[in-house]
Parts: sequence; C-alpha cells; structure tokens
Amino acid sequence: DSGVTQTPKHLITATGQRVTLRCSPRSGDLSVYWYQQSLDQGLQFLIHYYNGEERAKGNILERFSAQQFPDLHSELNLSSLELGDSALYFCASSVWGLTDTQYFGPGTRLTVL
Amino acid sequence: ILNVEQSPQSLHVQEGDSTNFTCSFPSSNFYALHWYRWETAKSPEALFVMTLNGDEKKKGRISATLNTKEGYSYLYIKGSQPEDSATYLCAFWTGNQFYFGTGTSLTVIP
Repeated sequence: DSGVTQTPKHLITATGQRVTLRCSPRSGDLSVYWYQQSLDQGLQFLIHYYNGEERAKGNILERFSAQQFPDLHSELNLSSLELGDSALYFCASSVWGLTDTQYFGPGTRLTVL
Repeated sequence: ILNVEQSPQSLHVQEGDSTNFTCSFPSSNFYALHWYRWETAKSPEALFVMTLNGDEKKKGRISATLNTKEGYSYLYIKGSQPEDSATYLCAFWTGNQFYFGTGTSLTVIP
C-alpha cells in the first residue's frame, strides 16, 4: 500500500458524460501527478500539481481538467467523454517535485460505453 | 514528443541469472530519469530517481547507472528470482514534460 488513495476504483459511463476522479496523496506529499494508461498507448503523463498550483502539463486533452485543493487532494475532471477515453487513470504523489520518488495509487478504471 | 526507448522489449531468464536492460533518452534537456517496476494488475512501484551524470543507485539485487551525456541508463538485476518478473519502465523528465518508455517485460523462469 503506497498511501495514495484513488476513488472510485471502477467507473462505467456513457459517451458525452462527465466524470470526476479523486486522489488523496500520501500524508506530507505536496505534489500530485495524473497519468493515463490506455490499451493502445503506454503510460502517459497528464498533469502535475504542486501545493495547489499547476506545474507541468503533458498530453492532457482540453476536455480534461484538474485541480489540487487546499487539503492537497486532487480531482481530475473528464468531460464530453469518448470511447477512446476508456483507460486506467493513475494518480501519484511525491514530497516535492519530479526529482522525488513518486508513489502511485491503485488507479481508477474508466470504461466509456 | 520525445522518444524514450527501452530494450529489449521482453526477456526470459532462468532463476539465478543476472540480467540488464537499457533505457535510451535524448541527451539534451535532461532533468531526471525514473525507473519503475510494474507488476501485472498492480500500480507502478518506484525503484530509482537518477539526476546526475554518473549516478549509480542500488536497492538490494537491483542497481542502475546513468549516462546523461550519451543518453542512456542501465538497470541490472543480479541473481534473478521469480518474484522479479514484472515490466520495468523508465521515464524521462525534461523539466516540464515527463516521457515514459514502453518497458521491458522480464520473466524469470524457476
């Protein structure tokens, strides 16, 4: 158990819908990262937040947005969902930034029908 | 999009063999290199974060080296055990982007 929690574990929804994925980092970690793992692609970096501020952005679609709240938990919002958004979404946390060890959560499996 | 390449793509070794694999990345814009161990149906588990040219890290039977000038890192496993079977993934951080390799799948045969 890495100490990073993600909810929900599984999510099934329809095309066009909007969902929110939640991540709670390890106690004391200030950075949160979001990743997407889809079947046809490997692990892809989406976005990095540090202490509530966006620090780096990867291949995150405009339909997706994220934020990190004052209590340091983070949410990833996915809207206008398409079939291709079906994937495993991981959250990770680290104490500071990207030169620190990242601890991954168990992931949220999103299925868009 | 930068290319992070890992070789070989897969590897089968006998229990007790030592093995190594490679992660190649662009030598410019280097900030850090991460190695992960990823077992099926689990989350990636961090092995090492390497930031300096010439860095060597060790964790039990697993070690890694880094050459930022030529753009590669090696991961070594000494005396492979069946529980080492997993995909080993490297990720390259440029300072504002994080790129993953496609991994090396290791199977250790008892």
